[in-house]
Amino acid sequence: TQLLEQSPQFLSIQEGENLTVYCNSSSVFSSLQWYRQEPGEGPVLLVTVVTGGEVKKLKRLTFQFGDARKDSSLHITAAQPGDTGLYLCAGAHNFNKFYFGSGTKLNVKP
Amino acid sequence: SAVISQKPSRDICQRGTSLTIQCQVDSQVTMMFWYRQQPGQSLTLIATANQGSEATYESGFVIDKFPISRPNLTFSTLTVSNMSPEDSSIYLCSAAARGLYGYTFGSGTRLTVV
Repeated sequence: TQLLEQSPQFLSIQEGENLTVYCNSSSVFSSLQWYRQEPGEGPVLLVTVVTGGEVKKLKRLTFQFGDARKDSSLHITAAQPGDTGLYLCAGAHNFNKFYFGSGTKLNVKP
Repeated sequence: SAVISQKPSRDICQRGTSLTIQCQVDSQVTMMFWYRQQPGQSLTLIATANQGSEATYESGFVIDKFPISRPNLTFSTLTVSNMSPEDSSIYLCSAAARGLYGYTFGSGTRLTVV
């Protein structure tokens, strides 16, 4: 069973649309990270959140860590084809070892 | 952040043989990890590579099947032993100076066992 569940599992949208990806767990995490992975490459870190309720913005991406530090969301505004990829959340209990979520495959059509 | 070179990038191996994957980091890192990933799916942690001591394996993974070395703070290897088709997967190494600041990943080794 996956420690971190992501939803939706697949998302196909048109360029310019907004979307939100969710990452949920019954566990409390000391920190949570979001990664984006393209085929044939390793995941690339987008953001780390550590404080419950924290919101971070990275251009068109907004990340939120739940107040209880059990869940997180990633919101993309005006999606572009370059946003296409596999989005992964990863949580750690002691800032060291991270366990990855089930993944969300995003396809943004031009 | 650190840059990781992982090799080989892909290999096709016969069942029953072993393959060693190498991971070289361009700077000293405190933590190195090995993951397995089916294409398009999530990553499963295999083990933590500890410098100067035996690796720490996650549930479902054992040293006899996946021996790991980490002779120094910049290098680690993972061996997939006595391979079967079920071992076909992408294997990734990752490293971090401190986990809080995120992992850097190698580009992965795509292994096919025939």
